[in-house]
Amino acid sequence: KNEVEQSPQNLTAQEGEFITINCSYSVGISALHWLQQHPGGGIVSLFMLSSGKKKHGRLIATINIQEKHSSLHITASHPRDSAVYICAVRSQTSGSRLTFGEGTQLTVNP
Amino acid sequence: DARVTQTPRHKVTEMGQEVTMRCQPILGHNTVFWYRQTMMQGLELLAYFRNRAPLDDSGMPKDRFSAEMPDATLATLKIQPSEPRDSAVYFCASGLVLPLGRGYGYTFGSGTRLTVV
Repeated sequence: KNEVEQSPQNLTAQEGEFITINCSYSVGISALHWLQQHPGGGIVSLFMLSSGKKKHGRLIATINIQEKHSSLHITASHPRDSAVYICAVRSQTSGSRLTFGEGTQLTVNP
Repeated sequence: DARVTQTPRHKVTEMGQEVTMRCQPILGHNTVFWYRQTMMQGLELLAYFRNRAPLDDSGMPKDRFSAEMPDATLATLKIQPSEPRDSAVYFCASGLVLPLGRGYGYTFGSGTRLTVV
């Protein structure tokens, strides 16, 4: 079992839909990151969370430390949101290194 | 916006040749990471530095890979000799990590796409 698991692996949505990507982890963490990677592109850090909720534009990230679970929500999705979304955790025992989920491929159709 | 700059963006080289990848972290960031991304393995940590000192290089094949920070504005990753299985995208990232696990998000560079033929 991977330390970080994401669901779904693939997600197709219509423009305007509300999207949720989930991340579960099995270790104690000091922080959780959500990253975005466009095809052939670099990696963009969207959020770093250690508790509660953060919002940036149409993106919302939440984390429940007790349940070891985080969600990334996209409101009013747009085709330009199509990308791979990666959850990564910094465990309490691993220093600053990140452990990555396998990513969720999101496709938003017009 | 401050950026992590990686060079070169693309590199094609023959097996056995030395490859050097460079990274300019964001000024003021105290932690620099090297990651490798392949289709099979996803993102893997190769090494990271705190205040230019190597903290963890357990993900790096020691016989052929080396990572250094000659100064605060430059991190390098070298492969010598290169092999076809080293073909991947290599990302550098930097961040400001504070005591007690606090800090801010990491900023990734655009990556170096390495092809070893």
